Amino acid sequence: EADIYQTPRYLVIGTGKKITLECSQTMGHDKMYWYQQDPGMELHLIHYSYGVNSTEKGDLSSESTVSRIRTEHFPLTLESARPSHTSQYLCASSETRQGVSPLHFGNGTRLTVT
Amino acid sequence: DAKTTQPNSMESNEEEPVHLPCNHSTISGTDYIHWYRQLPSQGPEYVIHGLTSNVNNRMASLAIAEDRKSSTLILHRATLRDAAVYYCILRDVNDYKLSFGAGTTVTVRA
Repeated sequence: EADIYQTPRYLVIGTGKKITLECSQTMGHDKMYWYQQDPGMELHLIHYSYGVNSTEKGDLSSESTVSRIRTEHFPLTLESARPSHTSQYLCASSETRQGVSPLHFGNGTRLTVT
Repeated sequence: DAKTTQPNSMESNEEEPVHLPCNHSTISGTDYIHWYRQLPSQGPEYVIHGLTSNVNNRMASLAIAEDRKSSTLILHRATLRDAAVYYCILRDVNDYKLSFGAGTTVTVRA
């Protein structure tokens, strides 16, 4: 079983607040990812990391930022939350076997900005 | 990433097999075929993957056409817990990322 944890599970916050969504994995995976998913819609990759101190933007433009200071930790930050950021954010990780390593997903953080 | 085409939805009866088709006519020789599913209110879950040969695991079977332009995910005996969105994804052997499409919503009737 994959061990990847996201907190909080649900977050309701006012416009303009700074928020950080936490993601941690205990599998020692090098690769980590953040996806955004609106209700009933497709997942879109917004950030990924191939290792410590490595971060890249994904296919969908996002106002969020990420950091990767430790292998097991990949937090996502919104400096000033807006209602348009309301969505579900899913974190995932995978090991280093190219093309075949499955992604292990957390259960997501459902963010509502009022 | 090469694109895949899946039906929007499928229905099945409990304890009956489910065959989920996926077309990928522009697949390249280095693309693996991956299947994930997403249960309500959860993150996606890996189901199975293959390159050329049919594959079986405890969750499902993957049948790949000889020309690799299509594949079928087979759930041998559907249960209510199998109700989910199923995604067929092509992933290049040199790539770590996954690009999700709309998937197929599977409904299982008791």
